[in-house]
Amino acid sequence: GAGVSQSPSNKVTEKGKDVELRCDPISGHTALYWYRQSLGQGLEFLIYFQGNSAPDKSGLPSDRFSAERTGGSVSTLTIQRTQQEDSAVYLCASSPTRRVETQYFGPGTRLLVL
Amino acid sequence: SQQGEEDPQALSIQEGENATMNCSYKTSINNLQWYRQNSGRGLVHLILIRSNEREKHSGRLRVTLDTSKKSSSLLITASRAADTASYFCATEGGYNQGGKLIFGQGTELSVKP
Repeated sequence: GAGVSQSPSNKVTEKGKDVELRCDPISGHTALYWYRQSLGQGLEFLIYFQGNSAPDKSGLPSDRFSAERTGGSVSTLTIQRTQQEDSAVYLCASSPTRRVETQYFGPGTRLLVL
Repeated sequence: SQQGEEDPQALSIQEGENATMNCSYKTSINNLQWYRQNSGRGLVHLILIRSNEREKHSGRLRVTLDTSKKSSSLLITASRAADTASYFCATEGGYNQGGKLIFGQGTELSVKP
């Protein structure tokens, strides 16, 4: 079946602009995660959604970052007033339930803030 | 903040040799996972070892876990050029952590034909 998809693949924006990144998880997966990977670094947890529960936002670096998940499926990560340090690859992952530890990752969105 | 530290940061070997990568972490864990990443894009899950396990095998992969030392190692035997990638360990802290993964910095493996 189809894997996790993300769009756009690449995004170039100017400092101060808002951006929206989209994630389509694997159909039926109830858990969805956003991570950020800066150049040459490991992944940094941002936010986690599980079913209809309140999301775990503990990894969001500032209030310029927000995410929502509509209908328990598609998720959008929004970065307002982008800064150059926001440049990174943003990765989305999903898993069938919280009890299933393996996460399935999308290809990521490479964001460049000029 | 990152929990895991991996070493080496980069490893270059010849095809056919074995590659060993190490990972250390700081807090108690439910399980530890290894992922592979090609060209800085999506990650692929390789293997998961639970906190009550000491060793696990999958094909050419062998993972060990020492919870007393808070460390793990990934061994790739008989390496191939196609194994060239970045390898990350990730720890999962348990049910009350929501399943979020804490990643190490990664080891960049280069296998020369």
